[in-house]
Amino acid sequence: EVQLVESGGGLVQPGGSLRLSCAASGFTFSSYEMNWVRQAPGKGLEWVSYISSSGSTIYYADSVKGRFTISRDNAKNSLYLQMNSLRAEDTAVYYCARDIGQVVYTDWGQGTLVTVSS
Amino acid sequence: QSALTQPASVSGSPGQSITISCTGTSSDVGGYNYVSWYQQHPGKAPKLMIYEVSNRPSGVPDRFSGSKSGNTASLTISGLQAEDEADYYCSSYTSSSTLVVFGGGTKLTVL
Repeated sequence: EVQLVESGGGLVQPGGSLRLSCAASGFTFSSYEMNWVRQAPGKGLEWVSYISSSGSTIYYADSVKGRFTISRDNAKNSLYLQMNSLRAEDTAVYYCARDIGQVVYTDWGQGTLVTVSS
Repeated sequence: QSALTQPASVSGSPGQSITISCTGTSSDVGGYNYVSWYQQHPGKAPKLMIYEVSNRPSGVPDRFSGSKSGNTASLTISGLQAEDEADYYCSSYTSSSTLVVFGGGTKLTVL
């Protein structure tokens, strides 16, 4: 059974940093592209970032470019999102999602809440 | 404002059929057959219901179907059931720098 478990969320002040993690199990992590998708309270889904299976190709949404960094450790079956210079509008539940190609997200974690507030 | 346009809400009675539209441009929905649909119940993670316009993942009932015409994709749910009440989101690959765009979501109410 595919499992994705996010962690690392919490309350952070504007301008602060946070590192999210996503632990994957039940599939060959190194063979799959991965993404971060977020959802602000009461709002819709917003794609945040993509990383290829090897980590060689990375994309970011314009809203986070230059502030967030996606990475992965295939030896540890883990996906990461380093978030710097956080803003109030970054407040959201952050999901990691397995991508089988063509931006098809077959599996999602339960999400981790990030709250940016003073 | 979301890149893909969906109606904010739709409703139907049990047993009826409903259709949710998802309108984009030739740079996303109209240009590629990479449209997906996700179902999200309150407090839960999204669930993939349709991918590549009209394909259903294993385990998704055949009451759910997808189609596309021009720049508009559609999700149809036939034989509505109470458990279908949820938010539905479309997504599409896009040739812009953002890689993928989502619709704003549609709240389905089963009356």
